[in-house]
Amino acid sequence: AQSVTQPDIHITVSEGASLELRCNYSYGATPYLFWYVQSPGQGLQLLLKYFSGDTLVQGIKGFEAEFKRSQSSFNLRKPSVHWSDAAEYFCAVSGTYKYIFGTGTRLKVLA
Amino acid sequence: DGGITQSPKYLFRKEGQNVTLSCEQNLNHDAMYWYRQDPGQGLRLIYYSQIVNDFQKGDIAEGYSVSREKKESFPLTVTSAQKNPTAFYLCASSIARRRIPDTQYFGPGTRLTVL
Repeated sequence: AQSVTQPDIHITVSEGASLELRCNYSYGATPYLFWYVQSPGQGLQLLLKYFSGDTLVQGIKGFEAEFKRSQSSFNLRKPSVHWSDAAEYFCAVSGTYKYIFGTGTRLKVLA
Repeated sequence: DGGITQSPKYLFRKEGQNVTLSCEQNLNHDAMYWYRQDPGQGLRLIYYSQIVNDFQKGDIAEGYSVSREKKESFPLTVTSAQKNPTAFYLCASSIARRRIPDTQYFGPGTRLTVL
C-alpha cells in the first residue's frame, strides 16, 4: 500500500541551528515527492518538489531535500533555521489522481 | 492574481444543519480536492474531482457531498450525517500529468465549528 511516514511529530531546534525533517515513503513506481509548510490557521505552501533528475532539490526559504531511492526517503534540510520557520511541515507523494500526505512534523524554534 | 479562495473563513453550525463551504480557483486547473485536517492527523482526503461533472470519494467521504458544475468551483456540503464535523477544511487544485497530480495549490481554509 502507498504510504508516507514522518516519524517525528514534534521537533525543537535553536535559531541558527541546522534542521533535518525525515520523510519515508512506500510507493511502487517512481514517486513524485513534495514538501509543504503550513503556518497556524493557514493553507499549505509548496517548499519544493522532486519529479526526476538531480536527487538534491532546492526550494524556497533556503530549504533543500534529497531523494534517496535506496532508503525510500525524501528528507528536508535547512542549514540555519530562522524563528519564522516555526510551522508544520508535510511530506507528500503523488499517487494516481491524488496525494498521500504524511501526518506532519511541527517545528518549534527557540530564540 | 491567480489563486484559490475559500469562504467563509469561520463557520458555525448547529446540530442537524447542513452547511456548504465554498471553493473557487482561477488557475485553470482541472483537478480539485477537499481535505479535512484534525490535530495530529494530517490531511485526509474527502472528495476529489478530475474534471467538470465528475468526482470521486476520498478516504473519509461519509457525511459529505460535493458538486463540480463549473471548472473553477468545487463546493463542499457538510451534511447532518457527519457526526463530528468540527475541523479545518482545506481546498486545493492542481494540474494532472497523465493522472498524476502536480503541485497542489491550497486555499486559506475554513474552520467549521459545531455548536
